[in-house]
Amino acid sequence: SYELTQPPSVSVSPGQTARITCSGDALPKKYPYWYQQKSGQAPVLVIYEDSKRPSGIPERFSGSSSGTMATLTISGAQVEDEADYYCYSTDSSGLGVFGGGTKLTVL
Amino acid sequence: QVQLVQSGAEVKKPGSSVKVSCKASGGTFSSYTISWVRQAPGQGLEWMGRIIPILGIANYAQKFQGRVTITADKSTSTAYMELSSLRSEDTAVYYCASSGYSYGYEDYWGQGTLVTVSS
Repeated sequence: SYELTQPPSVSVSPGQTARITCSGDALPKKYPYWYQQKSGQAPVLVIYEDSKRPSGIPERFSGSSSGTMATLTISGAQVEDEADYYCYSTDSSGLGVFGGGTKLTVL
Repeated sequence: QVQLVQSGAEVKKPGSSVKVSCKASGGTFSSYTISWVRQAPGQGLEWMGRIIPILGIANYAQKFQGRVTITADKSTSTAYMELSSLRSEDTAVYYCASSGYSYGYEDYWGQGTLVTVSS
């Protein structure tokens, strides 16, 4: 079955740039999406269709892709950005799949 | 602004079934995609399947094929996810999510429903 691979954890100091990667064979043809999930809360979409930001999401969140890898970048990470981040995409059949998640620590 | 309200927590016996509802209000229901995602305790998100109510066709993750049924009632703007042959590993928070294009891309999630499978 199709898999999206993320690093388990990323750690940065406040104000630094955090980069979270997501690799998958179908990413050159299927858009990645990124979700933020804080403890005990439902996920929130922060990036859709590779690099688009939904209304209300701070500009410090950006997305990009190159080949089989997508990257979520948080420029000037803040303490409130500490959360689990999940990439999401679809396989060649259009069925959804989430990456394993990356715990972002900002301290 | 779409609001999704899910049914309450459930405790089920192994081998039984559970049906979780997700009622939408405040926006477009029929033309948006309703997805179901679950999260076991301390684990990541797991996509289960989706339905577009206006089409009435559901797609399921291979892992859940034959065990999950996703339906939608356009008249009440409510989606349902039924999971059968429950086992302890199905203990999780189950989320519904609604996504689609209006004036921009929109993505809304329900509050989650905890399903506990225990003998």
